[in-house]
Order: sequence, then structure tokens, then C-alpha cells
Amino acid sequence: GAVVSQHPSWVICKSGTSVKIECRSLDFQATTMFWYRQFPKQSLMLMATSNEGSKATYEQGVEKDKFLINHASLTLSTLTVTSAHPEDSSFYICSARDSGMADTQYFGPGTRLTVL
Amino acid sequence: GENVEQHPSTLSVQEGDSAVIKCTYSDSASNYFPWYKQELGKRPQLIIDIRSNVGEKKDQRIAVTLNKTAKHFSLHITETQPEDSAVYFCAARSYSGNTPLVFGKGTRLSVIA
Repeated sequence: GAVVSQHPSWVICKSGTSVKIECRSLDFQATTMFWYRQFPKQSLMLMATSNEGSKATYEQGVEKDKFLINHASLTLSTLTVTSAHPEDSSFYICSARDSGMADTQYFGPGTRLTVL
Repeated sequence: GENVEQHPSTLSVQEGDSAVIKCTYSDSASNYFPWYKQELGKRPQLIIDIRSNVGEKKDQRIAVTLNKTAKHFSLHITETQPEDSAVYFCAARSYSGNTPLVFGKGTRLSVIA
């Protein structure tokens, strides 16, 4: 099946710093990628939809200036958490839709962010 | 927008018994319904999906049924095994451009040996 990678798998940072998370589709092109946030024992909360070559679409309540998304190519989307605070600590998971198989959506392994 | 409700939130079954998880959705335009399995600390894995032109789909011990009139769909796992223990999420999406999946809140399934 299709593979989505995510880097880093975990990161610990100090409050006030910025963290960049990369999401790559390894064997397919992804016009659209999605970024989710998951708190312990909770469901996946959609943060934003990342479209290659255009601005991301953010869900209500998600600060676009805090969570910067760039989708510069058909295989790479990045999420930058700017000026991170402890409440940003969470599991961030990206997902990519295979442009050739419009329905199927594959998930990356996730990035666990801990802000001290 | 779409809203997906999932029940139950937790489910315990004896090994070998069947498990059923149910979901309802609100948007009649939704036409794609996948199910994901997530083990602790890992990514959600697609285990089965169904499209609105089909009422039932089966893959070995896993089956999904869809009732478009009632706007609900269910996951059935037969002959459960301890390795089936995980959190299961249903989702719904309308096939229109870049519409994202909307997930249910998840069901924690525990299979007791």
C-alpha cells in the first residue's frame, strides 16, 4: 500500500521555539494533504487541509499564524508550530490522499510534540 | 458540515466472539466511509472502506454494512482475536474535491483471551 512518512517522530522543545514537521508521500503524488491533531484517548481533530501550490484551508479555531503550513510539492507538506507553548503538546498526524485514487487516505506515523 | 457519531466508546468481548461498532452521519452527500484501526502510539491504518453504491463489503473477518437511507454504517469483526484490540475510528466524506474525512470519536475494543 501507499506510504506516508513523517519527520521527526518525536520532538521536545522549549516554550517559545518553533518546530517544523515534515510529511512526505513516498510512492504517490498527493495534491492534498491533511494535518490532524490528536490528544490522548481522543479522536483525530482536523487542523487544516494543505493544497499543493496554494494556501492551506484552516478549520475553525485553528490559528493560521501559529500553525504554518506549506505544501511546496506533490510529495511534501510541512507544518510549523511557531512560538510553541505547553498547550501545543500533542500528537500531530499528517494524511495524504493519493491523487490517482481519490478516495483513499493514508496516514503518516505521527509526531509527538512535547513543549516544556 | 458533516457530523459523525460513533458508538460504543468502549467495547469488551471474549476472544472468538463478534464485535460490532456503529456510526451515523449527518450529510446525505457523503458517499465514502472508511474504517481505521489505531494501536497505541501508532498511525491509523485503513482496514476496510465502503462507497455509497454498495450496501455491504467483507474482507475475511471484517465486514462493513451501509444503510444510506438511515445514514448509518457498521463495522463487524467476527472471531475476534487479542490482536484486534485497538481503537477503531469510522469516518465519512463526500467525494467532492478536497473534502476531508470527518472522524467519529473512536471505539476502544478490548478482546479478552
